[in-house]
Amino acid sequence: ETGVTQSPTHLIKTRGQQVTLRCSSQSGHNTVSWYQQALGQGPQFIFQYYREEENGRGNFPPRFSGLQFPNYSSELNVNALELDDSALYLCASSLAGGASSYNSPLHFGNGTRLTVT
Amino acid sequence: QKEVEQDPGPLSVPEGAIVSLNCTYSNSAFQYFMWYRQYSRKGPELLMYTYSSGNKEDGRFTAQVDKSSKYISLFIRDSQPSDSATYLCAMTGGSYIPTFGRGTSLIVHP
Repeated sequence: ETGVTQSPTHLIKTRGQQVTLRCSSQSGHNTVSWYQQALGQGPQFIFQYYREEENGRGNFPPRFSGLQFPNYSSELNVNALELDDSALYLCASSLAGGASSYNSPLHFGNGTRLTVT
Repeated sequence: QKEVEQDPGPLSVPEGAIVSLNCTYSNSAFQYFMWYRQYSRKGPELLMYTYSSGNKEDGRFTAQVDKSSKYISLFIRDSQPSDSATYLCAMTGGSYIPTFGRGTSLIVHP
């Protein structure tokens, strides 16, 4: 059973640029969630995808967008990067969209460290 | 006031000590409570999860929930240097999206 893998591990971008982060879900998991973790903070929910449809969204602007593919891999796209977007971006996969995470715990990747200068 | 409050630490203890990590919350709808461990440069990994009030034990770890006080705890017995990490509490109610605390940094020194 493979775990959640994310690429790239580190990325440096300039303010105003666009970035795409990638995630490969754990085998058999049909739901993917993306989180932003600023330094010294807990993960903040960005959005979740279930069966290729957005299934919930946190308090993030529309310039944060995502895709989930039939093989359950996914992307997080961020347009018009701002300095405050510098953070660790975590992808988490789970088994069932809409189910409590008690029954479907999140399995996290090791994240992509994004630095915006 | 944040929905979930957690002291960031760091909490420094000698090897073998009993560690107590805590979170308070304000949302009465929270029913499922989780603890994640996050090593440096890694993603969080699920340690424990509990439903509603009560205790749950797993090896050296005990999770405790007091819904009347809106207070949850994680106890680590016989702490080891390998337990040094950031511990994140997380909780969810009717939504399937957990709300995380900011994490407590734990350092266990030999």
